[in-house]
Amino acid sequence: EAGVAQSPRYKIIEKRQSVAFWCNPISGHATLYWYQQILGQGPKLLIQFQNNGVVDDSQLPKDRFSAERLKGVDSTLKIQPAKLEDSAVYLCASSQNRDLTYEQYFGPGTRLTVT
Amino acid sequence: SQQGEEDPQALSIQEGENATMNCSYKTSINNLQWYRQNSGRGLVHLILIRSNEREKHSGRLRVTLDTSKKSSSLLITASRAADTASYFCATDLQGGSEKLVFGKGTKLTVNP
Repeated sequence: EAGVAQSPRYKIIEKRQSVAFWCNPISGHATLYWYQQILGQGPKLLIQFQNNGVVDDSQLPKDRFSAERLKGVDSTLKIQPAKLEDSAVYLCASSQNRDLTYEQYFGPGTRLTVT
Repeated sequence: SQQGEEDPQALSIQEGENATMNCSYKTSINNLQWYRQNSGRGLVHLILIRSNEREKHSGRLRVTLDTSKKSSSLLITASRAADTASYFCATDLQGGSEKLVFGKGTKLTVNP
């Protein structure tokens, strides 16, 4: 079974530039998550999709971050404009459904450096 | 905000020794999960323990949960160099939104 795919793996941008990350979840997984992991901390949920609808985006900085999951499969996360404090690893995860007893499968992440 | 807090922040042991990591949390939970993260394989789910369970085993892993103390421990027996990683506890809050809240993690180094 193929895992969660993410691209790019690394990205370096200057502040005020924009960036986009892509995630392809495990086939058949209805729930998709985007997490932000700052160095030395645990992942923090940014947004959760159930199929192509948003379940929770309470911790997404909506003035600069946006995400979509068209057709309930792939997802993109965008930052525009980026700030220095956005430097982090952005993790995508998927699960069979939103019940938290179901295991979340994580992708390798995208390491973003904002200079 | 972080719900769980792991202790210690870092742990260094010799291969073959046991490693114990602790997690404390603040509010009542439905379930508690442990994840491992290393540079090679990303974040991987290890084990889930429900709030009505006290102990759970999976291979060399043993997890305990004490809801009265709001704490959990992860024991790795007979550690191997490949166990070198960061370990995170994650909780989902009783009556809260449907999301996992991760702690800051314990960085485990197993020396060969």
